[in-house]
Amino acid sequence: DTEVTQTPKHLVMGMTNKKSLKCEQHMGHRAMYWYKQKAKKPPELMFVYSYEKLSINESVPSRFSPECPNSSLLNLHLHALQPEDSALYLCASSQAQPEKLFFGSGTQLSVL
Amino acid sequence: EDQVTQSPEALRLQEGESSSLNCSYTVSGLRGLFWYRQDPGKGPEFLFTLYSAGEEKEKERLKATLTKKESFLHITAPKPEDSATYLCAVQAPGGYNKLIFGAGTRLAVHP
Repeated sequence: DTEVTQTPKHLVMGMTNKKSLKCEQHMGHRAMYWYKQKAKKPPELMFVYSYEKLSINESVPSRFSPECPNSSLLNLHLHALQPEDSALYLCASSQAQPEKLFFGSGTQLSVL
Repeated sequence: EDQVTQSPEALRLQEGESSSLNCSYTVSGLRGLFWYRQDPGKGPEFLFTLYSAGEEKEKERLKATLTKKESFLHITAPKPEDSATYLCAVQAPGGYNKLIFGAGTRLAVHP
């Protein structure tokens, strides 16, 4: 299994809602990532978890809250988002010693 | 400052018309250069990793090469299904898994 599975594929939420994005991999990878991608722009790193510990937070606003319950799962909790947070949110995983990242298909988020 | 620049921004080719995409980088101590393909609304799909100048890798109609300052993705006799955005990324210095992406080249191959 070489897949990174993200749910949901699409999400529409209001600025007062609380929602969560989920990511799962079963490749035994020990590093997991959240990226944000705006249309026609490259992916921007948000968070990195290594061995289930947060190792990089790229100064992301606190309305985004990551969680890594175990080595296979990664969540991104969303609260009080702004319309400018609308984007494709990508999860990725890799070996702890980076070779290549495996990306999921992403969650297309729209904040109204 | 570590930086990745891709050119051209967009490229339109006829089917069978070979061409090259460029990725120039400035990074202190290259640990790896990656090429990804991304289809609209999908996550990037890994293509190649290059580690040292002179290295080359091939996959079907694609060939990636690396020098000390840039990488090229050569596309030989492209087909419409090669249409996608091609992203180049370098691994940032330091101990963690941080990639610096270029803005990408949007390739359209027409029959």
